[in-house]
Order: sequence, then structure tokens, then C-alpha cells
Amino acid sequence: AAGVIQSPRHLIKEKRETATLKCYPIPRHDTVYWYQQGPGQDPQFLISFYEKMQSDKGSIPDRFSAQQFSDYHSELNMSSLELGDSALYFCASSLIVGTGRDTEAFFGQGTRLTVV
Amino acid sequence: AQSVAQPEDQVNVAEGNPLTVKCTYSVSGNPYLFWYVQYPNRGLQFLLKYITGDNLVKGSYGFEAEFNKSQTSFHLKKPSALVSDSALYFCAVRRSTSGTYKYIFGTGTRLKVLA
Repeated sequence: AAGVIQSPRHLIKEKRETATLKCYPIPRHDTVYWYQQGPGQDPQFLISFYEKMQSDKGSIPDRFSAQQFSDYHSELNMSSLELGDSALYFCASSLIVGTGRDTEAFFGQGTRLTVV
Repeated sequence: AQSVAQPEDQVNVAEGNPLTVKCTYSVSGNPYLFWYVQYPNRGLQFLLKYITGDNLVKGSYGFEAEFNKSQTSFHLKKPSALVSDSALYFCAVRRSTSGTYKYIFGTGTRLKVLA
């Protein structure tokens, strides 16, 4: 079965550079979520999109932006990178049906971003 | 606001013994509750969920969890632990209200199953 695809899997950037992370949700899923997981920490919610519109916003820095495109893939753009941005970035997708029949969120393998 | 508490950073259990990983939650309205497992340098894998209905839900790999509304808990259990169950376990909550779909995770519990 198709899973959530994230690219790249690993990314090394220098301070103050820009990075773009891509996420391809499971086909027919209409909701995408982005999470940041620091070493030894729990996943922190950044932002989510439902049907290409932003639905929730978490602790996402102003230097970061994200969008969901017409084909439902999503990109997380990170500018003016800082050392503290080094983390594992996860994308997840789900299908919102309503009346308790929503699917759970399925997670990708993550993109490990290292800022040097 | 939604929140999840996992009071134990680590749980140690002998192989073959039952295991419990604790989770309590706080959310307005009815919760959707989930357990995920994470192996080193891997994504989160779904184990089980409670949406509605029977308070005891069964999931992958022999895991189950019991939803207790009065205690706002959703503890993960398994009757007989395996060494291969050793991993990081996260409890998560999502509001059932339409229009808001974010999952909030607990801090995680590291399960160590000793041979």
C-alpha cells in the first residue's frame, strides 16, 4: 500500500540558508500535517492543511511557511536556518470523513535536517 | 486546549510479563485517542485508536488500550511483552470537532523489554 513520501530523507544546510521539505500524502487523503521532532523529544505540531487550506497552526516560527498544492502534496519552506532548527521533520496525512469515520494520521519516514 | 500526559519516561518489563504504558489526556469535547510507536530513526507507526464505541480497543501486534472517560485515561496494554516491543511509545489526542484536526502528542514513554 502507498505510504506518505517525504523528500529528501536527509538534508544538510548552513546557518542562514533556506530549505524546502516536500511531502506526498497517501492518495485520496485530504489532510496533511507537519511535525518537528528534536532529539529525544516528542513530535511538536507545526501546521496542518485540509483540502489545501490551512486548518491549524502550532508552534511554527515565522521563518517557516508551508502550503498544500492542487495535487495535495505539501511543502515546508524554512528560511534563515538556525542551529536549533536541526531536527527530524515529519509529514503525516489522513482522510477526514466526519461522523467518527476519519482515518488515523499516517506518518512518513521523516526528513532529517542538520544545520551546521 | 489539548494536552496529553505520559507520566513515565521509561517502563521496564520482563519478556513474557504484561505491560502497561500510561496516558492521560485533556481536551474539550469528545476525544479521539491514538497510540503510535517509534523505532530509532523511523517514523511513527500507528498502533490503535479510540474514536467511539467499545472502551477496549485492540490494535496491531497484540496491543490493546482501554478508554476511561471518568479518569481521562487511555492506557496501552499487552498481556505478554516481547523483546521486539522495545521502542518509544507516544499517546496522542485529537479533538473530534470538525475544522480542527491537529494531533497533540505526549512526551513519549520508552519501553524496554528485558530477555
